[in-house]
Amino acid sequence: GQSLEQPSEVTAVEGAIVQINCTYQTSGFYGLSWYQQHDGGAPTFLSYNGLDGLEETGRFSSFLSRSDSYGYLLLQELQMKDSASYFCAVRDQTGANNLFFGTGTRLTVIP
Amino acid sequence: KAGVTQTPRYLIKTRGQQVTLSCSPISGHRSVSWYQQTPGQGLQFLFEYFSETQRNKGNFPGRFSGRQFSNSRSEMNVSTLELGDSALYLCASSLDGAGRGNTIYFGEGSWLTVV
Repeated sequence: GQSLEQPSEVTAVEGAIVQINCTYQTSGFYGLSWYQQHDGGAPTFLSYNGLDGLEETGRFSSFLSRSDSYGYLLLQELQMKDSASYFCAVRDQTGANNLFFGTGTRLTVIP
Repeated sequence: KAGVTQTPRYLIKTRGQQVTLSCSPISGHRSVSWYQQTPGQGLQFLFEYFSETQRNKGNFPGRFSGRQFSNSRSEMNVSTLELGDSALYLCASSLDGAGRGNTIYFGEGSWLTVV
């Protein structure tokens, strides 16, 4: 089976840096993805790690350690618009689009 | 380039009825997957279609079914609706499901309320 654990809620100050952790257990592993979802909106792709290390995309970075079954999403220079839910997701089969999502982390950015 | 389009956006059904939801993927995308999102269970994978064939299926009862047409458009059907089927149903598309990036694009979803 699969399981992904994320903190349920995180609060951070505008302009600060926040890290959202994700630990996973899967029968197979073909990468860890991160998605952002604003209230009432569609999940949107943020980042993907197929190999260990850091991937950087603008203010967002994502890290993966396969040996620790652990990853995180790092958001820098937080803006109010970053308030949203963030989901990590794993794929357990290559070439398949059946993502298994974590329960999500609700990020609230305060002034 | 148009995004993933889902219809209807909102609907209300009565227990025992059936519902059909439609999804038009991004042009050129051949893989379409469906997810159910509820406050209690989060985002759960329903099934994936690729080139009109169901490639993967999640742990949902047989009341949930889907299909994909030759133009990659997809529909999902839920029969004998239960109150617990009230959820946001999301469709997602990608080019072929393989490769780096795992980039799938979600539609805005169909909000289903069962009363």
